[in-house]
Amino acid sequence: AQSVTQLGSHVSVSEGALVLLRCNYSSSVPPYLFWYVQYPNQGLQLLLKYTSAATLVKGINGFEAEFKKSETSFHLTKPSAHMSDAAEYFCAVSVAAEGAQKLVFGQGTRLTINP
Amino acid sequence: DAGVTQSPTHLIKTRGQQVTLRCSPKSGHDTVSWYQQALGQGPQFIFQYYEEEERQRGNFPDRFSGHQFPNYSSELNVNALLLGDSALYLCASSLVGPYEQYFGPGTRLTVT
Repeated sequence: AQSVTQLGSHVSVSEGALVLLRCNYSSSVPPYLFWYVQYPNQGLQLLLKYTSAATLVKGINGFEAEFKKSETSFHLTKPSAHMSDAAEYFCAVSVAAEGAQKLVFGQGTRLTINP
Repeated sequence: DAGVTQSPTHLIKTRGQQVTLRCSPKSGHDTVSWYQQALGQGPQFIFQYYEEEERQRGNFPDRFSGHQFPNYSSELNVNALLLGDSALYLCASSLVGPYEQYFGPGTRLTVT
């Protein structure tokens, strides 16, 4: 079964430091992978998506992710953290079944930014 | 573009009651999915609607049911509410296929 695992339920970095949020996937077919961000008391906002067009994917707010098939990873990075990046981040894989596509999410990583 | 909208924002119900949540998809989208997000957890897939039919269902009991209307909007109904049904219910819309899903702000359901 297709799934994602996010390593680290809580990551804390200083403002201006590199942000690295880890996601590993399990899939028997080429996956469609996504990163979403959730601010407190809000829904999920799409940061970026991987659909096999390019291994390095650029998203909104300066985030990017690299698809590495050999490592089954899709880690999210940002060169310089900003206070406004503090939120919950979810990695997800699109799973096809019964003529439909559902998203299977990881458990999430809470990102804290220290001033 | 209004994006995905959901109503109501918050809801408080008593055990055993029934609840209906509503969702309007993003303009141009024909597929609606519902997710349940318990506190501190990632969203869990409930079901997906396309062409007014339930296309796929997650591991949720029959107390959870839904509907999609000709204008693509959707409802989620939960019967015989349990305390464990307390969660944020998220609606997402997309085009049919492996495309990104756009989420609404959610409905916070509290069962007492």
